[in-house]
Parts: sequence; structure tokens; C-alpha cells
Amino acid sequence: NAGVTQTPKFQVLKTGQSMTLQCAQDMNHEYMSWYRQDPGMGLRLIHYSVGAGITDQGEVPNGYNVSRSTTEDFPLRLLSAAPSQTSVYFCASAPGSGGETQYFGPGTRLLVL
Amino acid sequence: SQQGEEDPQALSIQEGENATMNCSYKTSINNLQWYRQNSGRGLVHLILIRSNEREKHSGRLRVTLDTSKKSSSLLITASRAADTASYFCATDADDAGNMLTFGGGTRLMVKP
Repeated sequence: NAGVTQTPKFQVLKTGQSMTLQCAQDMNHEYMSWYRQDPGMGLRLIHYSVGAGITDQGEVPNGYNVSRSTTEDFPLRLLSAAPSQTSVYFCASAPGSGGETQYFGPGTRLLVL
Repeated sequence: SQQGEEDPQALSIQEGENATMNCSYKTSINNLQWYRQNSGRGLVHLILIRSNEREKHSGRLRVTLDTSKKSSSLLITASRAADTASYFCATDADDAGNMLTFGGGTRLMVKP
């Protein structure tokens, strides 16, 4: 199993550009989530999904959209990037609920100029 | 807002010494987890302790949970240079639905 994969590894955007961060898992996990990690800080939850077709907001959802059309994929969309969205983004999945052990992808480092 | 807060923020020890990190949280929880993050990498799950457990071991790791004090500690015994990483606690709060809330982390450096 590849586990949780994320693409791209690194991206530079200009303010106002849009992009989609991809996340996929091959463990048949119901729960998937997106976090952002700013320098020297812990992770903050952006959006999460408890199954295909179901998404919900986390702690810092503004400026981000998500969808979950399949169990495997959970893309994160930035519609109009802002410098404040410069961060490292991690996708994670869990077999059941979000309160259980989560499995993390390697991260996407995003720089917004 | 952060549910868990780790202490200390940074810790530097010699190889072979023990490392202790603490986590405090604010609301009642279902479980508390510890994760490790090597520089520039994703988080790796270390151990989960449920609210009705007081202590748990996994190899060189020992985790304690005191729900009356809303605190947990992670002890790494006989540390190795490879243990150099950031360590985060994460809580599954009773009132947080499907969300895991992470603390700010402890940066551990183990000198060879």
C-alpha cells in the first residue's frame, strides 16, 4: 500500500491564483482531513470528511473548498490564493472517526507571493 | 484555539538520557495521542491512550494520562540521535465531534 499520497510536493503561487492540492489514500479509510502547519506550530484542521459525499469545516476553513466524490480522493482547492495561505499542508486519513489514529501524507509546501 | 499545549517547547539531551514531554489540555477527552514529526516530513502516530487508561507502553515509549489534571506525559527512555524530531500531542475532545486537535509540539534534539 502507498498509504496517503499528496501532490504536488512544492508549489509557488501568485496572489489571486487558484490551485488544487491532491490527496489520495489506498487504505479504504472513511475519514479524511486536511491540516495546515505554520512555522513552529502544530497542525490546524481545515476541512474533513467522514465518507464519500460528506464534508465539514474544521478550525480554519476560510479560503478553502473541499469535495469527496470517492472514498480514495479528497482534494483541497484554493480559489484565490493569499500570502496568509503560505504554509505546509498535510492530508490525513483514518479508518473510522477522526478521533482515532490518523495516517498522514508527506505534505505539500505552498508559497504564495 | 489549541486544546493541547506541550511543555517544554524545546528539549536538548545527550544520547542515552531519558526525555520527558508534557501535554496539558482544556476539556474532557475520549483519547489522547502522541505523534512524531521528523523535519519536513508528515506526522507519524506513536501511541494512543484512552480516557479510562492511566499508563501505556510501546517499546521505549511510556505515556501517562491524568484526566483529573488534564495532562499527559511522554517519556522516551534511552534516547537515540534518531529520536530527534518534534513531538505533538493530539486530543479527541468529547465535544469536538470528528476533530483531532493538536498542540504546538516539543522539539527534541538528541546529541550523539
